[in-house]
Amino acid sequence: DSGVTQTPKHLITATGQRVTLRCSPRSGDLSVYWYQQSLDQGLQFLIQYYNGEERAKGNILERFSAQQFPDLHSELNLSSLELGDSALYFCASSADRGQQETQYFGPGTRLLVL
Amino acid sequence: GNSVTQMEGPVTLSEEAFLTINCTYTATGYPSLFWYVQYPGEGLQLLLKATKADDKGSNKGFEATYRKETTSFHLEKGSVQVSDSAVYFCALSGKIKAAGNKLTFGGGTRVLVKP
Repeated sequence: DSGVTQTPKHLITATGQRVTLRCSPRSGDLSVYWYQQSLDQGLQFLIQYYNGEERAKGNILERFSAQQFPDLHSELNLSSLELGDSALYFCASSADRGQQETQYFGPGTRLLVL
Repeated sequence: GNSVTQMEGPVTLSEEAFLTINCTYTATGYPSLFWYVQYPGEGLQLLLKATKADDKGSNKGFEATYRKETTSFHLEKGSVQVSDSAVYFCALSGKIKAAGNKLTFGGGTRVLVKP
């Protein structure tokens, strides 16, 4: 158990809908990262938040957004869903107090868009 | 930009065989290097890491050495078990904190160990 929790574990929805994925980082970790794992694109970095502020952005679509709350949990919002958004979405956290910090991953949320 | 290339699988082995998974990288500066493992139906677990040249990471019988001259971080295990069946990901992160510590992953290598 990494200490990172994600809910829900599975999500099935229809095209055009909006969903919210939730992540709670390990106790004390300030950084939260979101990654998408799909068969065709592999594991891709989406976005990083550090202590409530956006720090880095990767290949995140404009239909997707994220935020980190004062209690450090994070939410990833996916809207106007398309079939191609079906993937496994991982959250990771790190303490981020040094230059190189290990990221610990949650179990993921499997999203299926029908 | 940064990139990681690892050998494509699947790699099928018999129990107690020697495992090598090749990983090479392209990065600006001197990144940190990681191996993560994903067991069926689970998330990613850190297997080992190395933060500077010539460092050797090791865990659970797996080893990898950070080779700056060949930009490689090959994963090895001397005697695999059925329980090592999983997908293995090589990854790197840069050292420019202001740019974020995102991980760049290779495509993953599926390993299947048969009894």
